Amino acid sequence: EADIYQTPRYLVIGTGKKITLECSQTMGHDKMYWYQQDPGMELHLIHYSYGVNSTEKGDLSSESTVSRIRTEHFPLTLESARPSHTSQYLCASSEAGNTDTQYFGPGTRLTVL
Amino acid sequence: KNQVEQSPQSLIILEGKNCTLQCNYTVSPFSNLRWYKQDTGRGPVSLTIMTFSENTKSNGRYTATLDADTKQSSLHITASQLSDSASYICVVSDRGSTLGRLYFGRGTQLTVWP
Repeated sequence: EADIYQTPRYLVIGTGKKITLECSQTMGHDKMYWYQQDPGMELHLIHYSYGVNSTEKGDLSSESTVSRIRTEHFPLTLESARPSHTSQYLCASSEAGNTDTQYFGPGTRLTVL
Repeated sequence: KNQVEQSPQSLIILEGKNCTLQCNYTVSPFSNLRWYKQDTGRGPVSLTIMTFSENTKSNGRYTATLDADTKQSSLHITASQLSDSASYICVVSDRGSTLGRLYFGRGTQLTVWP
């Protein structure tokens, strides 16, 4: 079992609220990722990081932002949540190298009313 | 456009039976192909990984095959168990990208009935 954690597991909030989804890993991995997944659909990469102070946007446009101040921590923030942000958010990490397996957290199921 | 297509979309089998899931991809250049298992409400967990030169890889009751010429892969599950009920996702990585760009299929939802 991978040592990557996400909190909260479930979140229901109202429109306009600011939220932060937490992700942390204890494996010392340099690379971390945020994916968005809707039911029955493929995972879409929204943010990634090569290491501390490195963040990039992924393939799917997202209004969220991320930060990487510490190796083990990669939080995702939505400044003003909207119903269109309702989805499952998965965090992952991997070692350096482009063939290494990504280890996924359990995900955060976000519902914006 | 690089794509990963999986079939069937969903599958129901009885406990103890075997099944085979399919994955076709158009990703190029190709680096490796992974099969992940995703339990409901959980993150995906890697089952197998195959590079261009490998055409079969086993992990317990799971056996993956790869035909890089036809760009097809399959995941065979032997003697299915109730705990095999999950979504199985085919993920292809391209070559030459420092990120190791991943292309995800939509998954096959497998349900094993007692």
